[in-house]
Amino acid sequence: LAKTTQPISMDSYEGQEVNITCSHNNIATNDYITWYQQFPSQGPRFIIQGYKTKVTNEVASLFIPADRKSSTLSLPRVSLSDTAVYYCLVGERTNAGKSTFGDGTTLTVKP
Amino acid sequence: NAGVTQTPKFQVLKTGQSMTLQCAQDMNHNSMYWYRQDPGMGLRLIYYSASEGTTDKGEVPNGYNVSRLNKREFSLRLESAAPSQTSVYFCASSETTGRSYEKLFFGSGTQLSVL
Repeated sequence: LAKTTQPISMDSYEGQEVNITCSHNNIATNDYITWYQQFPSQGPRFIIQGYKTKVTNEVASLFIPADRKSSTLSLPRVSLSDTAVYYCLVGERTNAGKSTFGDGTTLTVKP
Repeated sequence: NAGVTQTPKFQVLKTGQSMTLQCAQDMNHNSMYWYRQDPGMGLRLIYYSASEGTTDKGEVPNGYNVSRLNKREFSLRLESAAPSQTSVYFCASSETTGRSYEKLFFGSGTQLSVL
């Protein structure tokens, strides 16, 4: 299983763009990259996933360079409600739950 | 559509007691998982079930047993609870399809304290 490394914490202010980078140097050819968001006292919630280049949905963008050894979650114009822990997972296409959760990045958005 | 439902939400046990955590999903997913999350840490996989009738160990299976009762339900049993099992337990499910990558859907968790 690919090991991931993320910053432990990040601070931002409302309205700013936040970029959280995840390193996964031993990513395998068939591995996908998925990001989850977790609020206190809740289970994680899926944000976005991708295999290469760029993926965008209504809440975030995911940038993956050609070597796929890292990925960046981009949150545009964050608000206080984006304060949460963000997890980067790298793993197989099937049996997603076997992917390893790291300790995540605690994002604190300040007014 | 309830998604993934876990019961109970809170539980206090004494060392040596046993209990079963229940999980049910109504999304017709094939795969189900049990995780534990200790304070300030990420989730660690205890057991998973890729399909009805199969179960496999995850990263931290010692002290736990599981039962995939049917496609909807996946229970986690602590036979003899220990203080080291004090944690928040999350159940999750995902759908195994032919091409798309799976997404995990989580329940709201069970806060377990073992005294």
